[in-house]
Amino acid sequence: AQSVTQPDIHITVSEGASLELRCNYSYGATPYLFWYVQSPGQGLQLLLKYFSGDTLVQGIKGFEAEFKRSQSSFNLRKPSVHWSDAAEYFCAVGPYHQGAQKLVFGQGTRLTINP
Amino acid sequence: DGGITQSPKYLFRKEGQNVTLSCEQNLNHDAMYWYRQDPGQGLRLIYYSQIVNDFQKGDIAEGYSVSREKKESFPLTVTSAQKNPTAFYLCASSLQGSNEQYFGPGTRLTVT
Repeated sequence: AQSVTQPDIHITVSEGASLELRCNYSYGATPYLFWYVQSPGQGLQLLLKYFSGDTLVQGIKGFEAEFKRSQSSFNLRKPSVHWSDAAEYFCAVGPYHQGAQKLVFGQGTRLTINP
Repeated sequence: DGGITQSPKYLFRKEGQNVTLSCEQNLNHDAMYWYRQDPGQGLRLIYYSQIVNDFQKGDIAEGYSVSREKKESFPLTVTSAQKNPTAFYLCASSLQGSNEQYFGPGTRLTVT
């Protein structure tokens, strides 16, 4: 069965520091991978997605993610975080074919930024 | 502006009452979804619909019901059979055949 693991429930970094959020997935076919961000009490906003091509993908707000098939990982990175990046981040995996559109989400990583 | 609206933002109900959560989109998306979010558990799929008048159960459909009479609307009813209904409910939509889902702002339901 497909699954997504985000090993870090909560991460704290200082403003201006670099960030890496981990995501490991288990999927029996070619995956379609996503990172979403959620501010408190709000819906989810898509940061970036990957399904083929260059394994390093760029997203909004200065985020990027790298797909590593050999490690079943899709880690999210940002070179320098801002206080406004404090939020919860979700990794998700879905099928790469038409007709089935169910996404499986990880449990989320809550990011706190120290001033 | 195109987007997804969910109303109300906060909803309070007494135990034993059914309650319906609204979800409307003007993105002209064919597919719509309902998720439940609990602290520390991520998002869990309740129901989804790929076309009007058709919907499928997700992973946690028990105690919930939906309808899809119009392309723009996908209301969710939380019935009295749902044992633990207090949660944050998120609606999403996507183009047919796409996994890129767009989310509404959510409704926080509290049942006492």
